[in-house]
Amino acid sequence: GQQLNQSPQSMFIQEGEDVSMNCTSSSIFNTWLWYKQEPGEGPVLLIALYKAGELTSNGRLTAQFGITRKDSFLNISASIPSDVGIYFCAGRTSGSRLTFGEGTQLTVNP
Amino acid sequence: DGGITQSPKYLFRKEGQNVTLSCEQNLNHDAMYWYRQDPGQGLRLIYYSQIVNDFQKGDIAEGYSVSREKKESFPLTVTSAQKNPTAFYLCASSTDSRRPDTEAFFGQGTRLTVV
Repeated sequence: GQQLNQSPQSMFIQEGEDVSMNCTSSSIFNTWLWYKQEPGEGPVLLIALYKAGELTSNGRLTAQFGITRKDSFLNISASIPSDVGIYFCAGRTSGSRLTFGEGTQLTVNP
Repeated sequence: DGGITQSPKYLFRKEGQNVTLSCEQNLNHDAMYWYRQDPGQGLRLIYYSQIVNDFQKGDIAEGYSVSREKKESFPLTVTSAQKNPTAFYLCASSTDSRRPDTEAFFGQGTRLTVV
């Protein structure tokens, strides 16, 4: 099946630093989504991207749909302790089924 | 408020027993999904349903069964044939409109422990 390669696997940063993570695939996707999961909870949608080249922000978060449609990145600016969690990318080609990346575990030190 | 409810939050079962996890949504979403999450890993699709009375196998369907008799409900049964059932199970729903508010919306998960 389709695979998404998400990197880095984990990040340890100081409060106030900027963060960048990305997902790549050998397949073309028509939709890219970014989710955040906190311990013991379900993932929550952060940003949805529907067009190649699209750049979308949600507060301190910014995500882009790669122009080749095979990649996407998520940036978090000026990180704060509550940014801690696992961030997942997800892609969709057609229909409703999503393919998820393996996740990036983010730790923010105060 | 609209949402998706999974119950119970924690579930313990003895090896060899079947167990059913509940998932209910009142978002009027057409599609529903079950994912399995193991520690340090991503989400793997077990089953999904795009419409009532129809469902499809995902990537790891062996040892699981589902039904979709109502739009709102998509229960998952973990059977004794599932060799390693201890995991965190997530249910989600969505509808196909290419808008953020219609994308996969997750429940809070059920942590199943088989002893």
